[in-house]
Amino acid sequence: DVKVTQSSRYLVKRTGEKVFLECVQDMDHENMFWYRQDPGLGLRLIYFSYDVKMKEKGDIPEGYSVSREKKERFSLILESASTNQTSMYLCASSLSGTDTQYFGPGTRLTVL
Amino acid sequence: GDSVTQMEGPVTLSEEAFLTINCTYTATGYPSLFWYVQYPGEGLQLLLKATKADDKGSNKGFEATYRKETTSFHLEKGSVQVSDSAVYFCALSSGSWGKFQFGAGTQVVVTP
Repeated sequence: DVKVTQSSRYLVKRTGEKVFLECVQDMDHENMFWYRQDPGLGLRLIYFSYDVKMKEKGDIPEGYSVSREKKERFSLILESASTNQTSMYLCASSLSGTDTQYFGPGTRLTVL
Repeated sequence: GDSVTQMEGPVTLSEEAFLTINCTYTATGYPSLFWYVQYPGEGLQLLLKATKADDKGSNKGFEATYRKETTSFHLEKGSVQVSDSAVYFCALSSGSWGKFQFGAGTQVVVTP
């Protein structure tokens, strides 16, 4: 079975802090994605990556950056956390093309 | 651009009732279609998928048929259980690098 893990289930940070969310997949998938999920807004794509060191902006990249130094690991970085970044963050991976995306359990981030 | 529309919730049902969640899509080309389920506090899990017209996806008693003529992928289950209470997302994948479009999600509540 594909396994996607995220570094924390719950995280509390203060405004202005730099925040790292990490995601690891164990199935040698090419594509990795970061979403945020908010009530009434569904899932919104922040960034995705289709290869090591490659990244593309999604629908809401402002205030975020990403890093993919190794194929299995995709990090989401909040350079200076703000309260409006309080959300559930979901990582996903897929083998290629239009293939199934497999999701991690999510990180619920609260920024105070 | 590509988009997915699904019926709003919450949908409240009694145990053993029939469940239908409507999903329609707009896409160029030939998308793959998916249903995901999200239990409280967890990430999304693939429920079923279909990759071409007239394909039927099925899993755990749930079914959905890819209808190209009506651009629909409605989810059905003949007899729901309390354990089916969750949020259900319809999604399509048609673009490059495996980007998905998700519906807003439909919350289903099944009462004993």
